[in-house]
Amino acid sequence: DTAVSQTPKYLVTQMGNDKSIKCEQNLGHDTMYWYKQDSKKFLKIMFSYNNKELIINETVPNRFSPKSPDKAHLNLHINSLELGDSAVYFCASSYNGANQETQYFGPGTRLLVL
Amino acid sequence: GESVGLHLPTLSVQEGDNSIINCAYSNSASDYFIWYKQESGKGPQFIIDIRSNMDKRQGQRVTVLLNKTVKHLSLQIAATQPGDSAVYFCAEKYNFNKFYFGSGTKLNVKP
Repeated sequence: DTAVSQTPKYLVTQMGNDKSIKCEQNLGHDTMYWYKQDSKKFLKIMFSYNNKELIINETVPNRFSPKSPDKAHLNLHINSLELGDSAVYFCASSYNGANQETQYFGPGTRLLVL
Repeated sequence: GESVGLHLPTLSVQEGDNSIINCAYSNSASDYFIWYKQESGKGPQFIIDIRSNMDKRQGQRVTVLLNKTVKHLSLQIAATQPGDSAVYFCAEKYNFNKFYFGSGTKLNVKP
């Protein structure tokens, strides 16, 4: 009964390929996020969706396209993968209300682009 | 942009000692702060939070202190245990559910 789950856990692919990462949360949250963690452990927000609507887009290249089919799912599709995309990608979720913003993270997807 | 930073990238403590992890933030409009613990191969895990109208909050073995005058946040862990070994992040929120994370401090607990 994992609260925030991601698939796959590991993803190794060639440069130029297109890949997707999936995220699901069963916490009843209405806001979901994607973060990128680089090799130096720095965590940076990429996107945020609230009730399936995009609310945060932190100047991420348009090769990255999030999709939220419903408020429990937020998937990330990456086109034309580049070496610099290698990182750990974390999904997170939270409520969208005052005093309820604590974000809960998934286990991460380790992406390696060769 | 990135506005949160940590003073010490690595901290080594003896088991049983108290640990203090520090964090500086730059946005005075930040109104909510969280400390996360990240163990190897896992996602960040919530430890404790504090709002800007408070200067201290205590949990089980952990205390967060907030000094808004100097924009400083600290995490104190009492009686540090080997299971506390991890990377610790502070995060600040100053916009709609948008959190900015510090660069992390690695805590090594020596038995």
